[in-house]
Amino acid sequence: EAQVTQNPRYLITVTGKKLTVTCSQNMNHEYMSWYRQDPGLGLRQIYYSMNVEVTDKGDVPEGYKVSRKEKRNFPLILESPSPNQTSLYFCASSHRDGAYEQYFGPGTRLTVT
Amino acid sequence: SQKIEQNSEALNIQEGKTATLTCNYTNYSPAYLQWYRQDPGRGPVFLLLIRENEKEKRKERLKVTFDTTLKQSLFHITASQPADSATYLCALGRNAGNMLTFGGGTRLMVKP
Repeated sequence: EAQVTQNPRYLITVTGKKLTVTCSQNMNHEYMSWYRQDPGLGLRQIYYSMNVEVTDKGDVPEGYKVSRKEKRNFPLILESPSPNQTSLYFCASSHRDGAYEQYFGPGTRLTVT
Repeated sequence: SQKIEQNSEALNIQEGKTATLTCNYTNYSPAYLQWYRQDPGRGPVFLLLIRENEKEKRKERLKVTFDTTLKQSLFHITASQPADSATYLCALGRNAGNMLTFGGGTRLMVKP
């Protein structure tokens, strides 16, 4: 089954404790991206990647890091999480770039206390 | 600054009627526009994509229009059903579409 998986689905952590949210897709997609979704602000793009070793900032990259060492994986790293990073995070992938149908993962609900 | 506006108030309609959702944008020249459906606690699901040189796109009960002069897209669901109740998001992108910018979404409630 074609899908985007994220782990963990739920995470409660404390300020400053480094964490990684994993994202994996099995569709051989070149393009992957991360979004956060907050009430009243909608979906905002954090980072995207056009291919292996190619990443670029989205609208709200501050406080986040990403890497794309393999085509199928695109982890989101929070080096020092803060409470304002409490949000619902989605990973997405598409065949080539943002102009194509985006396949979203199930989401990761992160709470930073 | 760029702005994408969708009606933040919920749209309530009766089953069988046509639902029409709007997506307006300013300070933006999109090359394409996408519509997604999102159910509570789940990731968005792609519905339709329309490019700047297309006026209208259809898929089953869904129809989307794209007016670059009015800077507006309309999304229609004909013969609406309670199962169509969800939040609908529009997303815009430029040529070489590396980034997608989403609107805030409109919640649709279809009552039986």
